[in-house]
Amino acid sequence: AQSVTQPDIHITVSEGASLELRCNYSYGATPYLFWYVQSPGQGLQLLLKYFSGDTLVQGIKGFEAEFKRSQSSFNLRKPSVHWSDAAEYFCAVGANNQGGKLIFGQGTELSVKP
Amino acid sequence: GAGVSQTPSNKVTEKGKYVELRCDPISGHTALYWYRQSLGQGPEFLIYFQGTGAADDSGLPNDRFFAVRPEGSVSTLKIQRTERGDSAVYLCASGLLEGTDTQYFGPGTRLTVL
Repeated sequence: AQSVTQPDIHITVSEGASLELRCNYSYGATPYLFWYVQSPGQGLQLLLKYFSGDTLVQGIKGFEAEFKRSQSSFNLRKPSVHWSDAAEYFCAVGANNQGGKLIFGQGTELSVKP
Repeated sequence: GAGVSQTPSNKVTEKGKYVELRCDPISGHTALYWYRQSLGQGPEFLIYFQGTGAADDSGLPNDRFFAVRPEGSVSTLKIQRTERGDSAVYLCASGLLEGTDTQYFGPGTRLTVL
């Protein structure tokens, strides 16, 4: 069965520091991978997605993620965190033969220290 | 352009009552998805529509849950005989196409069953 694991429930980083949020997936075929961000009172916003091709994908707000098939991972990174990045981050996996249904991880809450 | 809208934003009801949650997708989007997000969890897939028909309802927890999209645009999620365990945020998303197309999420309806 498909599943997504985000090992870190809560992460705190200092403003200006680098960030890496972990995501591991389990899926039998080639997955489609997504990172969404959810701020309080806001809907989920897509940061980036991977379907095929270059395994390093760039997203909005300076985020990037790297697909590593051998590790079944799709970790999200940002070189310098801003206070406005504090939010909940969700990794999700989908597949074309699943009609677009997404399986989400539990989420990682990011806090940013001044 | 307008994004996905959901009404009401908050709904408080009593155990055993019937509720309807509405989703207005982005104009022209043929794919529509419902998810449920419990506190501290990632969104969980419920059902997805391609046009007017439910293409995948495998995520509906039981027969108290039902959703319609009669004209291929607005969708209503209906919950009969609500239970306290139904309390969650119900999210709607729409996409231009099914499959791997980006899903755009609404702000959600927070349902509280007393």
